[in-house]
Amino acid sequence: KQEVTQIPAALSVPEGENLVLNCSFTDSAIYNLQWFRQDPGKGLTSLLLIQSSQREQTSGRLNASLDKSSGRSTLYIAASQPGDSATYLCAVDDQGGSEKLVFGKGTKLTVNP
Amino acid sequence: KAGVTQTPRYLIKTRGQQVTLSCSPISGHRSVSWYQQTPGQGLQFLFEYFSETQRNKGNFPGRFSGRQFSNSRSEMNVSTLELGDSALYLCASRRGTESYEQYFGPGTRLTVT
Repeated sequence: KQEVTQIPAALSVPEGENLVLNCSFTDSAIYNLQWFRQDPGKGLTSLLLIQSSQREQTSGRLNASLDKSSGRSTLYIAASQPGDSATYLCAVDDQGGSEKLVFGKGTKLTVNP
Repeated sequence: KAGVTQTPRYLIKTRGQQVTLSCSPISGHRSVSWYQQTPGQGLQFLFEYFSETQRNKGNFPGRFSGRQFSNSRSEMNVSTLELGDSALYLCASRRGTESYEQYFGPGTRLTVT
């Protein structure tokens, strides 16, 4: 059974700092991995999707990497801003259909002005 | 282009009652998935519908059911509500089975008293 773990559960940083969020999964036979952002009381916003054949994806100040063999992904946020404060979730698709994502419990990020 | 919409946004029910939640996907999207989010268990997959057919189901009791209409709108029903069913229910849509990226709605917050 696939399990996804995100460490740390919470992170507080000063504005402007570069930071890394970690995600690990137990079964390396995944089809893709997605990073989402969730603001309090809101739904999920897709940030980056990495397909199994890819090693990384970039969007603006965000860079996500994937190492299937070690079962790890990282989300790098450059020059953090208070608006980046949210919970970040990673999810893996290990069935190929992408409808059934297995989520980690998230990292709650607070960026202090 | 309108996003995924869910109604109602908030709902309070009593134990033993039943509830129906609605999800309207992005126009042109034919796949709708449902997830339950609780503080203890995080996000868990309920089921997915594509072209009015259930394609996949998570590990939830039979009290949880759903359906999809010909216009791709989906409903989920929970019968005989329990306190533990209190959660944020999220639906996500994607264009089709070949599309990896899922787009989430804002969710319905269900409170069972």
